[in-house]
Amino acid sequence: SQQGEEDPQALSIQEGENATMNCSYKTSINNLQWYRQNSGRGLVHLILIRSNEREKHSGRLRVTLDTSKKSSSLLITASRAADTASYFCATDAWYGNNRLAFGKGNQVVVIP
Amino acid sequence: DTAVSQTPKYLVTQMGNDKSIKCEQNLGHDTMYWYKQDSKKFLKIMFSYNNKELIINETVPNRFSPKSPDKAHLNLHINSLELGDSAVYFCASSLLTGNGNTIYFGEGSWLTVV
Repeated sequence: SQQGEEDPQALSIQEGENATMNCSYKTSINNLQWYRQNSGRGLVHLILIRSNEREKHSGRLRVTLDTSKKSSSLLITASRAADTASYFCATDAWYGNNRLAFGKGNQVVVIP
Repeated sequence: DTAVSQTPKYLVTQMGNDKSIKCEQNLGHDTMYWYKQDSKKFLKIMFSYNNKELIINETVPNRFSPKSPDKAHLNLHINSLELGDSAVYFCASSLLTGNGNTIYFGEGSWLTVV
C-alpha cells in the first residue's frame, strides 16, 4: 500500500515566498525522507528525519514529523526559481525490510 | 563521476519486442533497485538486490527479469513489451546501514512502447 500521500499536489508561488507541502502515511516508520525531482531527472535526496525527531533543518529546508498524526511537512523558505520541481516523501517502515515507499509527489512551481 | 548511471536514457520500441536497460553504480553500495514511475509520477518499487541477492520482488509481471552480475550492476530485461509498460524506469542504489536507507537514483530510462 502507498505509504506517503502528499497534499497539496500542485503549488504555484512567487520567488521569495515560502512553500509548504504535507505528507501523510499509514504505518509506523523508522524514518521519513524527502526527495526532489527536477523535470526529466532522477530523484535527489534532500533530508531524512527519524521517528524520534520532531523537526530538522537543512539550509532553506525545514521538515517536521508528527508520528502521532502520521504526517510530515516540508517547508522551503525564500523559494527560488531553481526550486521548481516535484517533491516526494518516502517512508522507511519500522519492520526494516528496506522498502522505501514513495508518495505521489507535490509539483512546486516557483515563478520568478 | 556519475554515481548511478543507466542506459539507454530513451527507448522507443514496438509491442512484442524484448529490451534491456542497464544500470551501474560506482558508490560502493550493496543494494540496488529498479523503480517504475508512471505518467502520474507515482513511483513504485519493482525489485531490490542486496549483494547480488534478490530481496524485494514486487508484484511485477514475470516478463520483467532483473539480473545482477555483481554488486555494482543491476540490469532489467523486459520480454514481450506491452503498451502499459511505457513509463520511466529508475535504477537506484543504497548502502544498508542502521541509520536510514538513503537512496541514490539514476537519471531514468524513458521507455515508450508503440
